[in-house]
Amino acid sequence: DTGVSQDPRHKITKRGQNVTFRCDPISEHNRLYWYRQTLGQGPEFLTYFQNEAQLEKSRLLSDRFSAERPKGSFSTLEIQRTEQGDSAMYLCASSTQAGQNTDTQYFGPGTRLTVL
Amino acid sequence: KNQVEQSPQSLIILEGKNCTLQCNYTVSPFSNLRWYKQDTGRGPVSLTIMTFSENTKSNGRYTATLDADTKQSSLHITASQLSDSASYICVVSDRGSTLGRLYFGRGTQLTVWP
Repeated sequence: DTGVSQDPRHKITKRGQNVTFRCDPISEHNRLYWYRQTLGQGPEFLTYFQNEAQLEKSRLLSDRFSAERPKGSFSTLEIQRTEQGDSAMYLCASSTQAGQNTDTQYFGPGTRLTVL
Repeated sequence: KNQVEQSPQSLIILEGKNCTLQCNYTVSPFSNLRWYKQDTGRGPVSLTIMTFSENTKSNGRYTATLDADTKQSSLHITASQLSDSASYICVVSDRGSTLGRLYFGRGTQLTVWP
């Protein structure tokens, strides 16, 4: 399977714990995005990488959230001191810079986080 | 404020019937509009993408239209199948940043009954 993969698919944690999610993009894609999606809503943009550089972060990304893409390949999203409001599906997407503003983002299956 | 509004919120149709989903947007400047299909518990999958100059695009039984003047788009599904049951999300990209920020609608939840 050469699509975007995410791990784990599901995570249940207690409030106050730290969690880390991983995303492996399609291998030739240089752009990687993180989104958060709550039930009945569309995905909300969190952050974006081009290669290893984090070029944009949403105001939704509080200081408890940190994302990295150390070698320009896989990425991790860490949430520290989780809160119940962090419960959501966390989606990763990747794309290639085929043309400005027309690249299609390919989404992974998501990691569903439940904070108890 | 850049927004994407979709209607209806949910829709139930019988297998074999056609349906049309609507998307209105206020995103400016406009770059492109995409329709994604999202199965329950899965990530969204791209169906179509249209730029300013395109007013219709087809992908099998899916046909998307775009009226950039009225800022409206529709997704028409022909001869629906049970596998079409999913959330259909309208996504609009602006031209105001190098990222081409994506604005997502809340989706239309389509259920196809046998």
